Amino acid sequence: DAGITQSPRHKVTETGTPVTLRCHQTENHRYMYWYRQDPGHGLRLIHYSYGVKDTDKGEVSDGYSVSRSKTEDFLLTLESATSSQTSVYFCATTGPSSYEQYFGPGTRLTVT
Amino acid sequence: QQPVQSPQAVILREGEDAVINCSSSKALYSVHWYRQKHGEAPVFLMILLKGGEQKGHDKISASFNEKKQQSSLYLTASQLSYSGTYFCGTAGVGGSQGNLIFGKGTKLSVKP
Repeated sequence: DAGITQSPRHKVTETGTPVTLRCHQTENHRYMYWYRQDPGHGLRLIHYSYGVKDTDKGEVSDGYSVSRSKTEDFLLTLESATSSQTSVYFCATTGPSSYEQYFGPGTRLTVT
Repeated sequence: QQPVQSPQAVILREGEDAVINCSSSKALYSVHWYRQKHGEAPVFLMILLKGGEQKGHDKISASFNEKKQQSSLYLTASQLSYSGTYFCGTAGVGGSQGNLIFGKGTKLSVKP
């Protein structure tokens, strides 16, 4: 258990509203990732971070932005939520000496 | 570029064996295997690196054929606890090793 928490765990929001999801880790891991998981698609990388203020895009980054001002926190923002962003969002971290990714419990987001 | 997993689903009786395959169209540096139980986060099983050896974890083992860009996960004498969806995640040669592209998953159901 890598001490990863996500908040909120569940959220329902309306189309067009901004939404921010938070990932918090207590392991001082350098790398952090945001994925979305949809039926039939598996896990898809949205954005990742390789250090404080160092972030980059993944394969499905359109409509999402991220920020990392502290090692322990990685925020995912949907500037204007759309129904296509209804999904389960997972945060993950990687330790310094391996490629094993530790996943948080997930956030179920519904955009109506 | 998403790796292809096969089969999509498999049903076993306790004690039976199963093989899950993961095939990529690009040169791979590493293949990661994760298991996800319903409603939970994915959990790391093992990683296979280019030039590395076959790995094992209890009665679950895996191989990596670099030339064919394929990996297989072997589950022997399956137990009820093996039920879940198995994902392979691949990292390409020359890319960032943390940026995985996951397959769509193989759902494994083990019956008593």
